[in-house]
Amino acid sequence: GEDVEQSLFLSVREGDSSVINCTYTDSSSTYLYWYKQEPGAGLQLLTYIFSNMDMKQDQRLTVLLNKKDKHLSLRIADTQTGDSAIYFCAEIVASGGSYIPTFGRGTSLIVHP
Amino acid sequence: KAGVTQTPRYLIKTRGQQVTLSCSPISGHRSVSWYQQTPGQGLQFLFEYFSETQRNKGNFPGRFSGRQFSNSRSEMNVSTLELGDSALYLCASSLEVSHTYEQYFGPGTRLTVT
Repeated sequence: GEDVEQSLFLSVREGDSSVINCTYTDSSSTYLYWYKQEPGAGLQLLTYIFSNMDMKQDQRLTVLLNKKDKHLSLRIADTQTGDSAIYFCAEIVASGGSYIPTFGRGTSLIVHP
Repeated sequence: KAGVTQTPRYLIKTRGQQVTLSCSPISGHRSVSWYQQTPGQGLQFLFEYFSETQRNKGNFPGRFSGRQFSNSRSEMNVSTLELGDSALYLCASSLEVSHTYEQYFGPGTRLTVT
């Protein structure tokens, strides 16, 4: 399909790990991104991964990339209530000479105490 | 270092009017991108400016236009407003063209069209 796809909701208990999944569209995408949006705020870049990597770890965040299946995941270890937010995955799609940032609909992460 | 600022934060306009939104990027950033966020369509890319030139463009009608000034500040204009233009408009800046560099987002301008 043409859309970047994510599940809409994820609910976890505080202290557990969260895994947010994404399927992207363009196999030639060079960069894949994860953003976080808190209520009333813009997007905050959490991390990004180059397409020649399989995994990237940054403190509590682990990004896994499966290029064959065009699947990207974000794992948050020891999830805290402050991690409650909407998480967006994004790719850059080359189209007609332009580079179009294309976002998923976002996954609402709800962390229960 | 100050973040990306957008003005105004909230705006109410009537169908058929036009509107101009402003974005000041982080100091030293030369690329500014604009996005529209709605519950129905999600986050969609409008366009990107770099060194006063439009470098990338999304799939929006010509009613949506923008420009960038020599100090990298950018404005976005929407003419002949429609109800469906009600949205959160986000601006993001980056050092260079956005497909290679991290983007930093502003808080957005909430536009309501009545």
